[in-house]
Amino acid sequence: AQTVTQSQPEMSVQEAETVTLSCTYDTSESNYYLFWYKQPPSRQMILVIRQEAYKQQNATENRFSVNFQKAAKSFSLKISDSQLGDTAMYFCAFMFEGYDMRFGAGTRLTVKP
Amino acid sequence: DAGVIQSPRHEVTEMGQEVTLRCKPISGHDYLFWYRQTMMRGLELLIYFNNNVPIDDSGMPEDRFSAKMPNASFSTLKIQPSEPRDSAVYFCASSSPLETQYFGPGTRLLVL
Repeated sequence: AQTVTQSQPEMSVQEAETVTLSCTYDTSESNYYLFWYKQPPSRQMILVIRQEAYKQQNATENRFSVNFQKAAKSFSLKISDSQLGDTAMYFCAFMFEGYDMRFGAGTRLTVKP
Repeated sequence: DAGVIQSPRHEVTEMGQEVTLRCKPISGHDYLFWYRQTMMRGLELLIYFNNNVPIDDSGMPEDRFSAKMPNASFSTLKIQPSEPRDSAVYFCASSSPLETQYFGPGTRLLVL
């Protein structure tokens, strides 16, 4: 079974500091994709970052970067220089077969001024 | 592109009424997905289409739920009759093969 686990239901960080959100997954697939989505209070699901499993280089998008450990099946998200607008639910997701996506339960991140 | 468009954004209805949710995917995307999000169950995939054809509807909770995609630019999710436990946020998403799923803004449904 393909599962995604986010072990931190809630986290908080001070503005301008760095925070890391954890995600692990379980799969027997060799070719897959990993994502982090952000869901602010507006409920819109916004793509933060994407990682292809066949790429060893960790993906980065401005202040957002991932630490992808394929052997450990770990995919953590690091947010640098946290901003108030980063306050949201963050969902880790795993996609295989090109379309079948599974989501974790989410981590609620609060950035404090 | 305007992104995935959903309507209505909010719907309040009474138990027993029919509810129809609408979605316009991003032009050129082959896949369309309907998700439901609740506090208790998180994000659940209800059904997805490939090239307008329903492929997997195993996530549809009951026969009260049905979905159609009559053409590449339009899909509906219908609940008939609606029940209070159907209250949730319903998302539509679309993608190309091996590409990111892009989500619509969601429809917040409240069944009284």
